[in-house]
Amino acid sequence: KNEVEQSPQNLTAQEGEFITINCSYSVGISALHWLQQHPGGGIVSLFMLSSGKKKHGRLIATINIQEKHSSLHITASHPRDSAVYICAVRPTGTASKLTFGTGTRLQVTL
Amino acid sequence: NAGVTQTPKFQVLKTGQSMTLQCAQDMNHEYMSWYRQDPGMGLRLIHYSVGAGITDQGEVPNGYNVSRSTTEDFPLRLLSAAPSQTSVYFCASSYVAGYTDTQYFGPGTRLTVL
Repeated sequence: KNEVEQSPQNLTAQEGEFITINCSYSVGISALHWLQQHPGGGIVSLFMLSSGKKKHGRLIATINIQEKHSSLHITASHPRDSAVYICAVRPTGTASKLTFGTGTRLQVTL
Repeated sequence: NAGVTQTPKFQVLKTGQSMTLQCAQDMNHEYMSWYRQDPGMGLRLIHYSVGAGITDQGEVPNGYNVSRSTTEDFPLRLLSAAPSQTSVYFCASSYVAGYTDTQYFGPGTRLTVL
């Protein structure tokens, strides 16, 4: 079993829909990252969370440390949000070493 | 700032050849890492460094060497390429201070080993 599990693996939505991507992990962590990767593109950091909730534009990330769970929400989705969203955790005591989920592929259609 | 740069963007090797993937960052970050990304799998850590002169193995280090002679540069060497090393390679750097940790990734190198 992977230390970091994401769901769903694939997601198709229509423009304007509210989207939720989930991430569960099985180890103690000091930080959790949400990353975005466009097709054929590089990887961009969206959020780093150690507790609570963060918001940036139409993106919201939450984390529940006790339940070892995080969610990434996209409000009013747009075709340009189509990408792979990756959850990664920094296990406690591992400096900057990250463990990654396999990603959620999101396609937003008109 | 250029951020994290990687060269080359694409490379085709024959089995047994050696090569070096270059990675550089201009943000004075202490931490640098090399990952490989394969279909259906998450990014996996190959090697990492917590500062100049200090390197350590990650999850999948076999067949790869690294060195960190300066803060800026973190090259990855493939000693004798094998088809199993066909992958996309990402270099990353980060600054970690307590609970603050921002990751910066390079654009990736797509490597094919024939």
